[in-house]
Amino acid sequence: DQQVKQNSPSLSVQEGRISILNCDYTNSMFDYFLWYKKYPAEGPTFLISISSIKDKNEDGRFTVFLNKSAKHLSLHIVPSQPGDSAVYFCAASAYSGAGSYQLTFGKGTKLSVIP
Amino acid sequence: SQTIHQWPATLVQPVGSPLSLECTVEGTSNPNLYWYRQAAGRGLQLLFYSVGIGQISSEVPQNLSASRPQDRQFILSSKKLLLSDSGFYLCAWSAGAPPVTQYFGPGTRLLVL
Repeated sequence: DQQVKQNSPSLSVQEGRISILNCDYTNSMFDYFLWYKKYPAEGPTFLISISSIKDKNEDGRFTVFLNKSAKHLSLHIVPSQPGDSAVYFCAASAYSGAGSYQLTFGKGTKLSVIP
Repeated sequence: SQTIHQWPATLVQPVGSPLSLECTVEGTSNPNLYWYRQAAGRGLQLLFYSVGIGQISSEVPQNLSASRPQDRQFILSSKKLLLSDSGFYLCAWSAGAPPVTQYFGPGTRLLVL
């Protein structure tokens, strides 16, 4: 059972426009959510996160919105730039016992920003 | 600042051969450490995690094993590789307490032939 879902495998956006990447989750125990960006043959890079006690977090061009009642979060990139072209992973965290907090990842959305 | 290293970057191994991938973290103490695998076209699958030296938890039954001989060293091993072990292996670290952001290494691409 997939607890974190990114239903759009790919997204194409014109340079300068807004990119909106979506993520849904099913486990109500998740209390911390993260977005990662990944280029081919590289490790994921942490982008931005949000705690379950907030509904919005902003960092430069990146904003993450959390709707707990809908179990939905989204990443907004404004304005989109060609260098933003990558695979974006949504991840959610829950305490898994014995001092460990595990992340559950979605399958990723490939963003292509067209110049 | 913290840095995470993985080696080798790329590895081609025959079926049935052993495997040893190494991960080390600098600039932090007592991190939580993780091994993930990303198969082609798929998401990140957690294989093992460790909250301390000698403490290993396995998430997926398989022919891989992990060890943590030192505080900032995490090793992924296999005695006999299978074709299905091919993939991109990622090591990550996080602090032992919230926030629980995980930071990833550059990865090792393993091809088993």
